[in-house]
Amino acid sequence: DQQVKQNSPSLSVQEGRISILNCDYTNSMFDYFLWYKKYPAEGPTFLISISSIKDKNEDGRFTVFLNKSAKHLSLHIVPSQPGDSAVYFCAASEAGNQFYFGTGTSLTVIP
Amino acid sequence: DAGITQSPRHKVTETGTPVTLRCHQTENHRYMYWYRQDPGHGLRLIHYSYGVKDTDKGEVSDGYSVSRSKTEDFLLTLESATSSQTSVYFCAISNPIRDLRSYEQYFGPGTRLTVT
Repeated sequence: DQQVKQNSPSLSVQEGRISILNCDYTNSMFDYFLWYKKYPAEGPTFLISISSIKDKNEDGRFTVFLNKSAKHLSLHIVPSQPGDSAVYFCAASEAGNQFYFGTGTSLTVIP
Repeated sequence: DAGITQSPRHKVTETGTPVTLRCHQTENHRYMYWYRQDPGHGLRLIHYSYGVKDTDKGEVSDGYSVSRSKTEDFLLTLESATSSQTSVYFCAISNPIRDLRSYEQYFGPGTRLTVT
């Protein structure tokens, strides 16, 4: 049973616009979340994290929002660039123990 | 980038043969993990280690064993490979700092294993 879900397998966005990637989770004990970016034939690259004591975390063009009541988090990329085209995974854990990953969203940024 | 290498990067083997994948890190991170990635499943944890000789099972541990005799090396063994173990295997490392709520994991480049 998938505890972390990314319901959009793919997303296309124009260069310069905002990309919003969504992630839902079912376990209310999850309190730490990660986002990864993955290019083909490479390992996932860590992007940004958020813990449940916050509802927002920013790092440059990347912002993660956490809505604990809805068990939902989102990754905003603005402005989107062609190099952002990749598969994005969210992951969740309870106190940094075993992480559960979503199935990924493939982002295409159109020049 | 974190210093993580995996070997081999590609392997084709036959059903029933033993296979060992190696993960090597130069970051002196305490925790090491093995994941598999399959279409429709994302990444799933197989086993992890929280120190030399200290290991525990993950979500999909059946058919796999691990060993960690040195901080820098974490081995994943398929005792008798099956076609369902065809996958891409990723190693990851982390150095959790609970007081700072810092639990990021850093991944290696992956090993593509095909069991025929």
